[in-house]
Amino acid sequence: GAVVSQHPSWVICKSGTSVKIECRSLDFQATTMFWYRQFPKQSLMLMATSNEGSKATYEQGVEKDKFLINHASLTLSTLTVTSAHPEDSSFYICSAQVAGGDTQYFGPGTRLTVL
Amino acid sequence: GQQLNQSPQSMFIQEGEDVSMNCTSSSIFNTWLWYKQDPGEGPVLLIALYKAGELTSNGRLTAQFGITRKDSFLNISASIPSDVGIYFCAGLKTSYDKVIFGPGTSLSVIP
Repeated sequence: GAVVSQHPSWVICKSGTSVKIECRSLDFQATTMFWYRQFPKQSLMLMATSNEGSKATYEQGVEKDKFLINHASLTLSTLTVTSAHPEDSSFYICSAQVAGGDTQYFGPGTRLTVL
Repeated sequence: GQQLNQSPQSMFIQEGEDVSMNCTSSSIFNTWLWYKQDPGEGPVLLIALYKAGELTSNGRLTAQFGITRKDSFLNISASIPSDVGIYFCAGLKTSYDKVIFGPGTSLSVIP
């Protein structure tokens, strides 16, 4: 149980384009999903907290207009990187928290490369 | 802000050896979590701890919630090559707070 999927697993795009990443909880409902960014050999950096049916809460320094988050259902959250630039290249990981629970279950991550 | 420290930063051990790593904080946490991340993958939850002093095992892994609530330990017994990866500790104050991650301990196992 507690499986989280991400799609795509990797994406290469041209600078200036937008990329959408999906995060799905497959066998449970997640009222809260989290989006992280991870650079090589570093820890996870929380970008935003996504609550179903409401606006996401962004961490300090994360541009909400650049990283659009939508949490339209209890099993799906999306992150759209708008007008991507090479410095946006990173490993993006989502996690989902079981309603009423403490534990976060992570997706397998999405490797974004912006050329 | 809140910060977690993990020690050691990296370790190289011989297959079959036991491993110990720890996680410390200047703040009190009410939940401690240990994750393992393989290269190119998302973190996988290993053990969750909810009570000060709690000792929990998952196969060859044992983790403890420090009685001060400011630290946690993870031990791996009889290491095997597939134990290679980065181990992250994470702390949580309440269900409504965000999880704070440590910087990770990189483990390499020499066959």
